[in-house]
Amino acid sequence: KAGVTQTPRYLIKTRGQQVTLSCSPISGHRSVSWYQQTPGQGLQFLFEYFSETQRNKGNFPGRFSGRQFSNSRSEMNVSTLELGDSALYLCATSLGGLAGYNEQFFGPGTRLTVL
Amino acid sequence: ILNVEQSPQSLHVQEGDSTNFTCSFPSSNFYALHWYRWETAKSPEALFVMTLNGDEKKKGRISATLNTKEGYSYLYIKGSQPEDSATYLCAFTARGGSNYKLTFGKGTLLTVNP
Repeated sequence: KAGVTQTPRYLIKTRGQQVTLSCSPISGHRSVSWYQQTPGQGLQFLFEYFSETQRNKGNFPGRFSGRQFSNSRSEMNVSTLELGDSALYLCATSLGGLAGYNEQFFGPGTRLTVL
Repeated sequence: ILNVEQSPQSLHVQEGDSTNFTCSFPSSNFYALHWYRWETAKSPEALFVMTLNGDEKKKGRISATLNTKEGYSYLYIKGSQPEDSATYLCAFTARGGSNYKLTFGKGTLLTVNP
């Protein structure tokens, strides 16, 4: 069974640009959550999508957005990049049900560097 | 803002030692507590999801206990091996409203010396 895939794996952008990251879940998984990992803050929840709807969101500015497609693939977008957005972005998928209850399967992450 | 604390931040043990870490979380509105292992250059991998007070779970040499009334969980590793070296993360989910999301602690970095 193929695992969670994320593309691209590495990305370098400059301040003010925007970026789109992609996450393809394990077959049959309908919930996709996004997390930001920084050395100082640890893993922080961005948002969760289920059946193409945002079901929950964390405390991030509106520059961070996402969506989910009918095949459960998800994208997240960050507009007007800031230096502080440099981080590892992880997506995690699960079968469904309420987020925070089911075991999460993580992708390898996208390392974003903002110059 | 939910506070999830893990201690210690880091730990060095010798191969064969047994060790344990602590995860502290709010004792109200408990819904679930997760443990993940994150090895360098890999993705976090689920160890346990615990939902009931008094839960004890085991996977090989690793086990975990849960006390939701006092808000803590322990992770135990028996006879540590070098391949156990990783960051161990716990994550708490509260019940209600917009709370159904994982709040992670900052992890315990375990290094097992051969």
